[in-house]
This record gives sequence, structure tokens and C-alpha cells, in this order.
Amino acid sequence: QSALTQPRSVSGSPGQSVTISCTGTGSDVGDYNYVSWYQQHPGKAPKLMSYDVSKRPSGVPDRFSGSKSGNTASLTISGLQAEDEADYYCCSYAGTYTSVVFGGGTKLTVL
Amino acid sequence: QLQLQESGPGLVKPSETLSLTCTVSGGSISSTTSYWGCIRQPPGKGLEWIGTIYYSGSTYYNPSLKSRVTISVDTSKNQFSLRLSSVTAADTAVYYCARHGRYYDHVWGTYRFGAFDIWGQGTMVTVSS
Repeated sequence: QSALTQPRSVSGSPGQSVTISCTGTGSDVGDYNYVSWYQQHPGKAPKLMSYDVSKRPSGVPDRFSGSKSGNTASLTISGLQAEDEADYYCCSYAGTYTSVVFGGGTKLTVL
Repeated sequence: QLQLQESGPGLVKPSETLSLTCTVSGGSISSTTSYWGCIRQPPGKGLEWIGTIYYSGSTYYNPSLKSRVTISVDTSKNQFSLRLSSVTAADTAVYYCARHGRYYDHVWGTYRFGAFDIWGQGTMVTVSS
């Protein structure tokens, strides 16, 4: 069971947009529209930011948007704010037996 | 609102069994729309799914950990528990409990996991002699 591939780090200035990619395979991201994204600040538990590729939980700003094309999912954060600086993890459902796979995480730095 | 709380020893000796309990409050662990998962995060590293249980006792495990993992449920206490045997230093991590939704997928004709929408605060477990 291989982890999904994310860039180690991305950065952007306040007000700009950044996109974090998450590449899987035809057995996870490519096969299911069940990709979720989590934000994690240091010392805190992860927080759900996007699910089922492009849906947003209540309370998550619409600056966060998810998408998918083929085996690659993406999280775009527009209008960057200082509080967006955190680690971001993608996650995909991968069927009954493998079930769940996470990405390795991306550190977002707001310059 | 629904909350999860992890509890267990913070230190486990190599080759022994790590045991954690997750207590669910503000809702029922017997909900037919919930699965209950265990996730871990080694220091400075990423998240790793360990396994998931449904209140009926059905379990789903990460293939890479399956031989060492047991997750069980106690509906009378609104708790589920993780046991990880034969631990080594590589099992040192923050261990999280989380809830994820249970949805029927009409395309695949099976139930599938939803996203992890509610997390416990996590508990650090160190494997050391």
C-alpha cells in the first residue's frame, strides 16, 4: 500500500493562490471520487477541509477548493492568509481491502 | 457535539503490546452512519491509517499492519480499542481516534468509508525500554 504523492512544500504570499497536488493510482484516487484533505497545525489534530473531492464541511472557508483529474487530486487555497500556514494531507478511499491511503503531507508556508 | 478521547499508557516496552482506548461522547458508537478509525503519526512524519471498526464488530486493517493489529468495540461503554502487538521503536507515534461516515455507494454496490470528520486530540506513545 503506497502513500499518495504530495510535494514536500509549497509557499505563497498573502492574498495569492497556491495549489497542492496529490498523485495516486488507478486503484485509489483514479478509481474513486472520495478524496479528502486535512489541515494540521503544529501540535494539533488534523482538521477536515475538503471531502468527496470537492465538497467543503460546514465552517470551512470557500477559499479552500478541491478538484481531481485522473489519478491526481488538488487542493487550491485562494486569498492566502497567515493562518493557512500548516501541513496539508490528502487521503483517498482505496476499496474494501486496502481501504484508506494518505499522502505524505505538504508544508504550506505563507511568506 | 460528538467528541473522541484517546487514553492509554504513554510508554510501552519493545516486543510488548500497545493498547489504547477511544471513548466516544456526545453520540452513540452504535450509529449506523459511522465507522470508527485509528490513525497514527510518527514524530515529524505523515499520517498513517491503522484500521477501522463498525459497531457490529466488522474490522478493516491497513495491510501493512494487519498481522499485528486488533481493533475491538464495546458498545456498552461507547468505546473502541486498539491493540498493536510486538511493537518496536518504529511504532512510536501520536495515535489518533477518528470518526468517519458510512455511506452506501450505489455505483459499487457496497458501503464505503467517508472522510475522517471528527478527531480526538491524540495521545503520544513511545516505545522504549
